[in-house]
Amino acid sequence: AQTVTQSQPEMSVQEAETVTLSCTYDTSENNYYLFWYKQPPSRQMILVIRQEAYKQQNATENRFSVNFQKAAKSFSLKISDSQLGDTAMYFCAFMIMNRDDKIIFGKGTRLHILP
Amino acid sequence: NAGVTQTPKFRVLKTGQSMTLLCAQDMNHEYMYWYRQDPGMGLRLIHYSVGEGTTAKGEVPDGYNVSRLKKQNFLLGLESAAPSQTSVYFCASSYFLSEKLFFGSGTQLSVL
Repeated sequence: AQTVTQSQPEMSVQEAETVTLSCTYDTSENNYYLFWYKQPPSRQMILVIRQEAYKQQNATENRFSVNFQKAAKSFSLKISDSQLGDTAMYFCAFMIMNRDDKIIFGKGTRLHILP
Repeated sequence: NAGVTQTPKFRVLKTGQSMTLLCAQDMNHEYMYWYRQDPGMGLRLIHYSVGEGTTAKGEVPDGYNVSRLKKQNFLLGLESAAPSQTSVYFCASSYFLSEKLFFGSGTQLSVL
């Protein structure tokens, strides 16, 4: 069974610093997608970034970027110039294409941005 | 566009009672999912559907049933609620499997 592991339950950083959230996954498949979702205190889930496994280039969305290491099965999220509005729960998610259509989430990392 | 709408937003049940959570999406999405979110456990997939008339089990399906009679609606049923089903329930949908999920705002369910 595919699994997603987020090893950092909680993190705190000062505003304007850079922070990296880790995510590892386990699969023997070759064709899959990886996601990072953000859940602020409002509870609304928001897609932060998406990565196709067949692409070597790391995905980037403004201040958010990923470090995708396929051989190591690692998919970390880097937030640059962190802002107070980045305070949220962050979930890593994983999906295998053309198999069982499920999107599996990790347990999440609670990120606090301190003023 | 309303997006994904979940009803109700809050509910308190007694052990053994039944209820149905409704998820409605107006984006013509094929894929719909029910997740539960518990502290320290992240989001766990209960059931999902890849199209009208189809359903499949996720990671934690026991104690729940689902139906997708209409493409836009995905119902989650609890036949005999248990305290272990106290949770926040999220519905999500997507058009393509690899595209982002659109989430509802969640249902806070407490079973006493």
